[in-house]
Amino acid sequence: AQSVAQPEDQVNVAEGNPLTVKCTYSVSGNPYLFWYVQYPNRGLQFLLKYITGDNLVKGSYGFEAEFNKSQTSFHLKKPSALVSDSALYFCAVRDSYGQNFVFGPGTRLSVLP
Amino acid sequence: NAGVTQTPKFRVLKTGQSMTLLCAQDMNHEYMYWYRQDPGMGLRLIHYSVGEGTTAKGEVPDGYNVSRLKKQNFLLGLESAAPSQTSVYFCASSYTFIGPTNYGYTFGSGTRLTVV
Repeated sequence: AQSVAQPEDQVNVAEGNPLTVKCTYSVSGNPYLFWYVQYPNRGLQFLLKYITGDNLVKGSYGFEAEFNKSQTSFHLKKPSALVSDSALYFCAVRDSYGQNFVFGPGTRLSVLP
Repeated sequence: NAGVTQTPKFRVLKTGQSMTLLCAQDMNHEYMYWYRQDPGMGLRLIHYSVGEGTTAKGEVPDGYNVSRLKKQNFLLGLESAAPSQTSVYFCASSYTFIGPTNYGYTFGSGTRLTVV
């Protein structure tokens, strides 16, 4: 069965500093990995995905994520955080044969001015 | 604009009342999903559909029913609402194939339901 863990409920970072939001996964077969962001009172918005190819994936708003197969991780990163990046971030996985995504519990990112 | 539209956006129900949430997508997606989002619990799958006329149970299906009579619409019904069903409900849709040019899920903006 697929599963996703986001070990941190909350991440606090100062504006201008680099940020990392962690995600580890478990899936049979090849993973399709995603990051979504949710702003208050909004639906989830796509940030980036990994399907195959380069382990470093670049996405929207300056975010990137690194796929590490040996550590089964897909951490979200940004070199310089903005206050406007404050939101709830979800990691999700789908296996290559599946129909459903499994979401992590979410990590709340707070960027302090 | 193409996307997923949910109606209504807000609703307050009394215990025991029934209602239907409507999800409509105009992207010709095969797959459609209903999730509920509760504080500290992330997104939990209620029901999903892999095509017109099909439905299947997700992680938390009890107390809900669904129908997919048309490819573009996916309805979520609550026959007898309970306070435990107070939540934010999200609909999503996707292509069957996850490829370089699609975004996985496309989400609606949510329905905030309160059962009193």
